[in-house]
Amino acid sequence: DIQMTQSPASLSASLGETVTIECRASEDIYSNLAWYQQKPGNSPQLLIYDANSLADGVPSRFSGSGSGTQYSLKINSLQSEDVASYFCQQYNNYLTFGSGTKLEIK
Amino acid sequence: EVQLVESGEGLVQPGSSMKLSCVASGFTFSNYGMNWIRQAPKKGLEWIALIYYDSSSKYYADSVKGRFTISRDNSKNTLYLEMNSLRSEDTAMYYCAKGNGSYVDYFDYWGQGVMVTVSS
Repeated sequence: DIQMTQSPASLSASLGETVTIECRASEDIYSNLAWYQQKPGNSPQLLIYDANSLADGVPSRFSGSGSGTQYSLKINSLQSEDVASYFCQQYNNYLTFGSGTKLEIK
Repeated sequence: EVQLVESGEGLVQPGSSMKLSCVASGFTFSNYGMNWIRQAPKKGLEWIALIYYDSSSKYYADSVKGRFTISRDNSKNTLYLEMNSLRSEDTAMYYCAKGNGSYVDYFDYWGQGVMVTVSS
């Protein structure tokens, strides 16, 4: 089974700041990676797929990058509505989520 | 507009059974793989089951293999999850999620979730 190691577990940043969340796969997942945002009390929503493709309706301040086993999600110009938990997920070999990152505003 | 509406929420005793349903609309249900994903209280997401668009293949997480069964009725645009021998650790919010493709893929739409509580 492919393991996904996500970091950090929690993150506090100021409005307007840029934040980065990392995900490392236990083996090459060939960019078969998605990122999801889950706001408190809501179901998760797709942000990024295929490592760097923005899902419909997602603001351009969100971006994804990476290849092989290392991937990252970057949020530019942090907004108050970005307070949420973020999860990575690989779909190269079955389906596995990272453990999540809780993002708060400082 | 894609909609996924789960039902079957409830409180059950350990060892009992329960069946969840997810009615889909706004897309051609029979063309897409469908999944169940759960989230224990204050925890992360756990994928638990996938069914191909035509029910030809089904896959399960080790944590539910042999106890849970995923199925679908394409004529009714409905996805099911039959859960047997329930344990306290199965307590979670259960989401149905549409795959982007017919097989293994990312999840482009999620339902609102239903809460399953396993407790005596």
